[in-house]
Amino acid sequence: DAGVTQSPTHLIKTRGQQVTLRCSPKSGHDTVSWYQQALGQGPQFIFQYYEEEERQRGNFPDRFSGHQFPNYSSELNVNALLLGDSALYLCASSLAYGDGYTFGSGTRLTVV
Amino acid sequence: AQKVTQAQTEISVVEKEDVTLDCVYETRDTTYYLFWYKQPPSGELVFLIRRNSFDEQNEISGRYSWNFQKSTSSFNFTITASQVVDSAVYFCAQYSSASKIIFGSGTRLSIRP
Repeated sequence: DAGVTQSPTHLIKTRGQQVTLRCSPKSGHDTVSWYQQALGQGPQFIFQYYEEEERQRGNFPDRFSGHQFPNYSSELNVNALLLGDSALYLCASSLAYGDGYTFGSGTRLTVV
Repeated sequence: AQKVTQAQTEISVVEKEDVTLDCVYETRDTTYYLFWYKQPPSGELVFLIRRNSFDEQNEISGRYSWNFQKSTSSFNFTITASQVVDSAVYFCAQYSSASKIIFGSGTRLSIRP
């Protein structure tokens, strides 16, 4: 039973570019949440997707957007990258009204 | 508002010592869950334990134990007879009606041989 899969593992982008990160949830899970973890800090909630719609959003600008597909997988898009967007991006899957989260290994994004 | 505070930024102990990681939480919800996660250098968040707000029983799992006290809004984590493999960043987190997990800032634990 596969856990949460994220791709790519590492990514280097130039300031101003756009990036797409991908997440496949754990089998049986229908909700995907995205977190940003800057170096030396705890993960910060970006948003959560359920039934292909954004259900909740944290304090992140509109440059951060997402999508959930019918198979429950999800993408995180970041436009107009800033140096400060460099972080580990974690995806977590769960059931819609459950409290059990499974985290992926993350995508480490470096903006230069 | 929800908040999780881990006042200890870094802890360093010698192997075989016992170590306690502190966690204080804030919430107005009556139903909530508390978690501890371990994050090794690989980056993945490894789930350690979940407690719900109605269960204040302490729990022991091998060398790990957790002390949940609603009266002080604390959920502390103790490692007994620490080992080098315990070295990691440990996060305390909270989940409630907002359906999202709020993390503390983490405690970096270093176990010296």
